[in-house]
Amino acid sequence: GAGVSQSPSNKVTEKGKDVELRCDPISGHTALYWYRQRLGQGLEFLIYFQGNSAPDKSGLPSDRFSAERTGESVSTLTIQRTQQEDSAVYLCASSLPRWRGYEKLFFGSGTQLSVL
Amino acid sequence: AQKITQTQPGMFVQEKEAVTLDCTYDTSDQSYGLFWYKQPSSGEMIFLIYQGSYDEQNATEGRYSLNFQKARKSANLVISASQLGDSAMYFCAMSVNRDDKIIFGKGTRLHILP
Repeated sequence: GAGVSQSPSNKVTEKGKDVELRCDPISGHTALYWYRQRLGQGLEFLIYFQGNSAPDKSGLPSDRFSAERTGESVSTLTIQRTQQEDSAVYLCASSLPRWRGYEKLFFGSGTQLSVL
Repeated sequence: AQKITQTQPGMFVQEKEAVTLDCTYDTSDQSYGLFWYKQPSSGEMIFLIYQGSYDEQNATEGRYSLNFQKARKSANLVISASQLGDSAMYFCAMSVNRDDKIIFGKGTRLHILP
């Protein structure tokens, strides 16, 4: 596709359930980021994938959060045993490799997660 | 650890005036980059401008310029001749070449008054 695609756009779940959020980056973009944005707040870094390197998981808030990426394509962010404080917009972004110099992030439209 | 600080949660500016949005950063690395993004109420993230730590001149992109003061570790965004469509959240962000990830500040909500 032409841009970063995220699905679902909205997800309502019950506390304690697991959820999976999907991100399809722009073709050729080896870097992929996940951010969390609570209502009216800034972007909180969660995890970063760069090609075949080990991901930077330093932003994951707890072991309930995990993410995978298959090669340089789709990524899935999984939240287990969801809590109400997990309610937020989850944004995915991708970019070309940094060896080209700086590369701006291209963002998806986000997944609005609501935990009841 | 790297950190981005935006101290202005909200600003109100009269249309056609210039506005400066503050951003300070903290890093011990010498090689880094600074970004500004705009997020309108629609939620999309729009890239505005980039400044590299080794760039000698301040970056400019149309009505946007970045006032880069390396010694003070500040990277303020200046919007000239503000327009109603500039009303949005603005985020400052930083990448450090050593570890590549990009971190964001908490943002400034800008309101342009007619």
